Amino acid sequence: AQSVTQLGSHVSVSEGALVLLRCNYSSSVPPYLFWYVQYPNQGLQLLLKYTSAATLVKGINGFEAEFKKSETSFHLTKPSAHMSDAAEYFCAVSPPYGNKLVFGAGTILRVKS
Amino acid sequence: DTGVSQDPRHKITKRGQNVTFRCDPISEHNRLYWYRQTLGQGPEFLTYFQNEAQLEKSRLLSDRFSAERPKGSFSTLEIQRTEQGDSAMYLCASSLTIGEEQYFGPGTRLTVT
Repeated sequence: AQSVTQLGSHVSVSEGALVLLRCNYSSSVPPYLFWYVQYPNQGLQLLLKYTSAATLVKGINGFEAEFKKSETSFHLTKPSAHMSDAAEYFCAVSPPYGNKLVFGAGTILRVKS
Repeated sequence: DTGVSQDPRHKITKRGQNVTFRCDPISEHNRLYWYRQTLGQGPEFLTYFQNEAQLEKSRLLSDRFSAERPKGSFSTLEIQRTEQGDSAMYLCASSLTIGEEQYFGPGTRLTVT
């Protein structure tokens, strides 16, 4: 079975500050890992994915995440927050070539001006 | 690329009524997924199709729920005898094939009164 834990249901940062959203996973097989973003009343948009290649993954909008097997973590970072980054972020896991995504509960990011 | 579309975007119904939602995937995608998202939670997997074949159903999909994908194109999700606990956002996603990125639609928000 696979599961995802996102630490912090709400994160608040100032515009221009570092964004760090935490994700820890549990998986009995080498996982594929994903970060999605959801804006109000919209579907989910893929930010980035890890599929067992490079452990540091770069995504859209300046986000990146690092896969750390020893820590079972896949934290999402962005060096400088923009107001437009305010949204809900979901970490998800699937087995390699899996059929479904298992999502965390989400983290709402607030960006203060 | 017109993306994944869902209809309706919002549905309000009375307890005990039947409702049906439609999902149109990206045209060349042969995998289609349904997820349910309740307030404050991440999406939870319900079922998926490979072309017209329904290959996996979650235990969340009670016998009041049925999904179809005739001819491997659009899909419908029907809920019979709705209950207040069915109130949620129902998300559809599609992917080109197994292991590929899932593209999400905007969702159908169901409110059962």
